[in-house]
Amino acid sequence: GAGVSQSPSNKVTEKGKDVELRCDPISGHTALYWYRQRLGQGLEFLIYFQGNSAPDKSGLPSDRFSAERTGESVSTLTIQRTQQEDSAVYLCASSSARDYNTGELFFGEGSRLTVL
Amino acid sequence: DQQVKQNSPSLSVQEGRISILNCDYTNSMFDYFLWYKKYPAEGPTFLISISSIKDKNEDGRFTVFLNKSAKHLSLHIVPSQPGDSAVYFCAASGDGGSQGNLIFGKGTKLSVKP
Repeated sequence: GAGVSQSPSNKVTEKGKDVELRCDPISGHTALYWYRQRLGQGLEFLIYFQGNSAPDKSGLPSDRFSAERTGESVSTLTIQRTQQEDSAVYLCASSSARDYNTGELFFGEGSRLTVL
Repeated sequence: DQQVKQNSPSLSVQEGRISILNCDYTNSMFDYFLWYKKYPAEGPTFLISISSIKDKNEDGRFTVFLNKSAKHLSLHIVPSQPGDSAVYFCAASGDGGSQGNLIFGKGTKLSVKP
């Protein structure tokens, strides 16, 4: 597809379970970002991948959160031992080198995670 | 500690009038500011941006103003249209653009009434 694709669109899980969220960025985009939006809050930065550089993990809230990216393609965000406060919409975005100076990120529709 | 603040959670405007959305920031190192628009169940989409070396950037009906001394920026939409109804997020970056870690405000929900 032409845009950023995320799956699943909705995920309901029980507290303590692990979840994996997937992001397919726009083809050719070197940068990939994960954000989350909790209810009533703004977008909270989680992690950023740029090409083959070491990812910027400064936004990950705890060691239960991790993310991987294979080359310049798919990324997976993993949340281990989920807690109720992890409930949020997890948004993935990508950008190209051309968009670097405009700060234009292309967002997916998000994965809504509900932890019961 | 919010570095980017949008103090108005909602704004209602009549069609054809001007919409003014405000944003304040605390970090003087920010050098790039962006506005994103978000419809329900969709991801945010980029709307307009401004570098800290400018005080105004215009794109059609959308104009962003930056007042660095006041650490304040605003988005003007004129004339407002019902299709502009959405949540608008202000965002800031400290490294001249898309370096990751864009700091977002909480958003302002704009409703444009016909």
